[in-house]
Amino acid sequence: DQQVKQNSPSLSVQEGRISILNCDYTNSMFDYFLWYKKYPAEGPTFLISISSIKDKNEDGRFTVFLNKSAKHLSLHIVPSQPGDSAVYFCAASARYGGATNKLIFGTGTLLAVQP
Amino acid sequence: EAGVTQSPTHLIKTRGQQATLRCSPISGHTSVYWYQQALGLGLQFLLWYDEGEERNRGNFPPRFSGRQFPNYSSELNVNALELEDSALYLCASSETSGGYSTDTQYFGPGTRLTVL
Repeated sequence: DQQVKQNSPSLSVQEGRISILNCDYTNSMFDYFLWYKKYPAEGPTFLISISSIKDKNEDGRFTVFLNKSAKHLSLHIVPSQPGDSAVYFCAASARYGGATNKLIFGTGTLLAVQP
Repeated sequence: EAGVTQSPTHLIKTRGQQATLRCSPISGHTSVYWYQQALGLGLQFLLWYDEGEERNRGNFPPRFSGRQFPNYSSELNVNALELEDSALYLCASSETSGGYSTDTQYFGPGTRLTVL
């Protein structure tokens, strides 16, 4: 059962335009969400996170939106740059007071930013 | 500040052997996590260690085990290797606040394990 889903395996965007990566989840107990960027043969790099008490978090070019009623979050990258080309993973956790801490990852979306 | 480090970068073993993978967390981080990324699959949670104890375990057989040392570094051991254990093994760390591990995990570069 895939609790975190990224339904778009790939996305191609022109440099300077907006990239929107989407993620859906099924477990209503998830209360913390993160986005990671990953290059081949490297570990994931943390980008941005959001707690379930918020609906938006912004950090530079990256903004994450959370719609709890739809169990949906998205990552907006504006403006997109060729160096943003990588696989983007959405992850979620259910903190239960710190008892679990495991991250549940989506399958990733490959973003290609064309110059 | 140094990030999470892992060794070795690559490891080649044969079926039935044992593999030992090592991880050093970011300085000040007490929690260490292990994940497996097999070919074509996403990142799957393996183990979580905090303050030297195993706190949580993913759906993996007991031949996947590990430990955390007093300096918070960690080892992942995989016994009786099988071909399907070939994967990228990622270690992550997080800091602890108020007695609980925080949720942002920072990853190392991974160890590529190949089982022949």
